[in-house]
Amino acid sequence: DAKTTQPNSMESNEEEPVHLPCNHSTISGTDYIHWYRQLPSQGPEYVIHGLTSNVNNRMASLAIAEDRKSSTLILHRATLRDAAVYYCILRDNSGGSNYKLTFGKGTLLTVNP
Amino acid sequence: SQTIHQWPATLVQPVGSPLSLECTVEGTSNPNLYWYRQAAGRGLQLLFYSVGIGQISSEVPQNLSASRPQDRQFILSSKKLLLSDSGFYLCAWSPWTVGELFFGEGSRLTVL
Repeated sequence: DAKTTQPNSMESNEEEPVHLPCNHSTISGTDYIHWYRQLPSQGPEYVIHGLTSNVNNRMASLAIAEDRKSSTLILHRATLRDAAVYYCILRDNSGGSNYKLTFGKGTLLTVNP
Repeated sequence: SQTIHQWPATLVQPVGSPLSLECTVEGTSNPNLYWYRQAAGRGLQLLFYSVGIGQISSEVPQNLSASRPQDRQFILSSKKLLLSDSGFYLCAWSPWTVGELFFGEGSRLTVL
């Protein structure tokens, strides 16, 4: 799997937007960019994914650089419940190795009231 | 809708004892199945994955093993637990054609 690089931690204030960066300079043309988050003592949950175009859903937005070597997860208004570890991972959907997903250490997001 | 269940939720076991964690998925067929482990304060470590009945791939050599006796059942086992086996074990499933992973509630294992 292609590797991703994320900051170890970030801090935000409640009600403010949060931009979580991810670098994936070795991304291949068939890699999808996935984001998950893990709340304390829970399993990770899916947040969003995309290939080339920016994506929006009820949880977040995903902005993908034109060269696809980086992406940013955007939480438009952080709440205390958004405090979690956020993982950015790449998944090859071309077949073969797409069943194997590995997670890095992620970014620990702290939200201040 | 699809659901995933794993049990037990919490387990305290002595060193050298056996282990069996079970995971089942409902509402889908032929899922890809995964076992992950998370040690305290660490990231997620992929232990095993399976793309079909009886097909198990191991990512990390250790004293754990996995089996898939049925399409939607995934079992993590050990004959003799080590202190280093303590952690939060997570089962997950993924459809073949869609990228999302869906995780179970997790099983917290403490080896004393």
